Amino acid sequence: NAGVTQTPKFQVLKTGQSMTLQCAQDMNHNSMYWYRQDPGMGLRLIYYSASEGTTDKGEVPNGYNVSRLNKREFSLRLESAAPSQTSVYFCATPGQTNTEAFFGQGTRLTVV
Amino acid sequence: RKEVEQDPGPFNVPEGATVAFNCTYSNSASQSFFWYRQDCRKEPKLLMSVYSSGNEDGRFTAQLNRASQYISLLIRDSKLSDSATYLCVVPGTGRRALTFGSGTRLQVQP
Repeated sequence: NAGVTQTPKFQVLKTGQSMTLQCAQDMNHNSMYWYRQDPGMGLRLIYYSASEGTTDKGEVPNGYNVSRLNKREFSLRLESAAPSQTSVYFCATPGQTNTEAFFGQGTRLTVV
Repeated sequence: RKEVEQDPGPFNVPEGATVAFNCTYSNSASQSFFWYRQDCRKEPKLLMSVYSSGNEDGRFTAQLNRASQYISLLIRDSKLSDSATYLCVVPGTGRRALTFGSGTRLQVQP
């Protein structure tokens, strides 16, 4: 009964390094989302996937790429990390009829 | 107009106070709305859904005004444990299922 699982929970990167944040859901939902949240700020949508095989840009896609690997998994990749990407990243999946969205526990990323 | 806008906060209130947050939305076709609560350094979690004119759950009341396109969250008899950020959520546009507001921070003081 995991719901939404994000890995890793914490990560420190050096500027220019790359990494992939993983998200998996076992709720059989079509949509999956990636958000970032900076201190004292709201959630900002990076990318989303309405269904397997589709991805769309959100409000702040620059510097990120995504892959909807299958219905369960949606990964977020930073090709060349920058200090401005220091943030908390949340993966989420809304219900089938736009009902409750379930979130992962977040990934706290620091880029130095 | 933004898809969803919230009172910026922070709201600092004493224990026992009644506090209300507003949220306006731009998509007049929206049918369902949500309030989420987010504790510091945690993921957001659903607090209440609003599908018609309103919804009440204990000390919490959510109301919907379709004519003016806003929803509100009223908290009565505030507790210290109510301190959190409250996010308004409305249906998104296009293929996006949900759009989150930026949140209103509530601090209940003893």
